[in-house]
Amino acid sequence: QMQLVQSGAEVTKPGSSVKVSCTTSGGTLSAYSFAWVRQVPGQGLEYLGGIIPISGATDFAPRISASVAITADISTNTVYLHLINVASADTAIYYCARDRTETGYDLWGQGTMVTVSS
Amino acid sequence: EIVMTQSPATLSVSPGDRATLSCRASQSVGDDLAWYQQRPGQAPRLLIFEASTRATGIPPRFGGSGSGTDFSLTISSLQSEDLAIYFCQQYKTWPSSSFGQGSKLDI
Repeated sequence: QMQLVQSGAEVTKPGSSVKVSCTTSGGTLSAYSFAWVRQVPGQGLEYLGGIIPISGATDFAPRISASVAITADISTNTVYLHLINVASADTAIYYCARDRTETGYDLWGQGTMVTVSS
Repeated sequence: EIVMTQSPATLSVSPGDRATLSCRASQSVGDDLAWYQQRPGQAPRLLIFEASTRATGIPPRFGGSGSGTDFSLTISSLQSEDLAIYFCQQYKTWPSSSFGQGSKLDI
């Protein structure tokens, strides 16, 4: 059964870049789409963007596309979230999720806490 | 962007009660709606998709209904493990989507 395993917590400074990884185990990356969701502690869920690894096609939420990139490496079954020029407002838990294409996100990673602090 | 609004923000209930949570979309999403449960310290878990279809392994006490702009999640015979925040999500605009702000269930 597929699992999504994310990289560990990050602490970084404003203006830097951060890369969060999400590796599938027990399944093939190329068979699915994946999404990234952000959650500021104590607050709700926010869709950031998604990727179809087999084609590399990406989608981003309108308000944050300038500071986020999403890539995938099929050979290592890993999708990546790149946060660029981060600010304190980017402090949050970042989740990857398997997107079953119009039936919701049926599998989630454990989450990665990213803390931006000077 | 489709805005999802959930109510109530918090619902206080007792074990054995029935709870109904609401979700309203700013424009029609058909039945392209999912519900998630997020227990404290955990990642969200898919409960319902296509507005009323239970995901794999979800017990029948969880039920979804509605279409268009108004949706409900009903939890019958509440158990202590149902203490969580519940989020709705529209995926009418797939691959983009949007979530409601969540409803917290206090047992």
